[in-house]
Amino acid sequence: AQSVTQLDSQVPVFEEAPVELRCNYSSSVSVYLFWYVQYPNQGLQLLLKYLSGSTLVKGINGFEAEFNKSQTSFHLRKPSVHISDTAEYFCAVSSFSGGYNKLIFGAGTRLAVHP
Amino acid sequence: SAVISQKPSRDICQRGTSLTIQCQVDSQVTMMFWYRQQPGQSLTLIATANQGSEATYESGFVIDKFPISRPNLTFSTLTVSNMSPEDSSIYLCSVEPTGGMADTQYFGPGTRLTVL
Repeated sequence: AQSVTQLDSQVPVFEEAPVELRCNYSSSVSVYLFWYVQYPNQGLQLLLKYLSGSTLVKGINGFEAEFNKSQTSFHLRKPSVHISDTAEYFCAVSSFSGGYNKLIFGAGTRLAVHP
Repeated sequence: SAVISQKPSRDICQRGTSLTIQCQVDSQVTMMFWYRQQPGQSLTLIATANQGSEATYESGFVIDKFPISRPNLTFSTLTVSNMSPEDSSIYLCSVEPTGGMADTQYFGPGTRLTVL
């Protein structure tokens, strides 16, 4: 069975500092990988996704992630964070099963950006 | 992508009652999904809804508790039946757009449910 592990439940960081949110997955088949962001009292917004091709994926709001097949990781990075990046971040893996792509989410990482 | 709306955005309900949540999409979609996000938790898939067929429920979720309708390609409802405080959660619908990259789900804003 597939699973997603987000290694940090909370990440505090100062404004303009770099940040990395870690995500590891387990799967025996090819997968699609996603990062979603959830701002307070809102739904989920797609940040970026890896389907195939280049292992470095760029998303919205200056975020990027690197797919590492040998380490089964898909860590999210941003070189300089803003206060507005404070949110919950979810890593997810998708696999085709039963006729549709099923998303399995990690537990989430709460990013808190301080001035 | 797709623009998704949900009604109600939030509600406070009494135990033993039922609430129906609506999900409306601005374009036709093949797949619609319903998720539950319990307080401080991640998202758990409840069921998948295809237009014109019975919903497919994940382990731990049953049709009697969470009946789903999917009358057309732009609309779905989820009912939370005979509610208890343990049902207090955010309920989100998502879609996988037809004819697009059928591998990405887009989410609605969620319905925040509190059961007293």
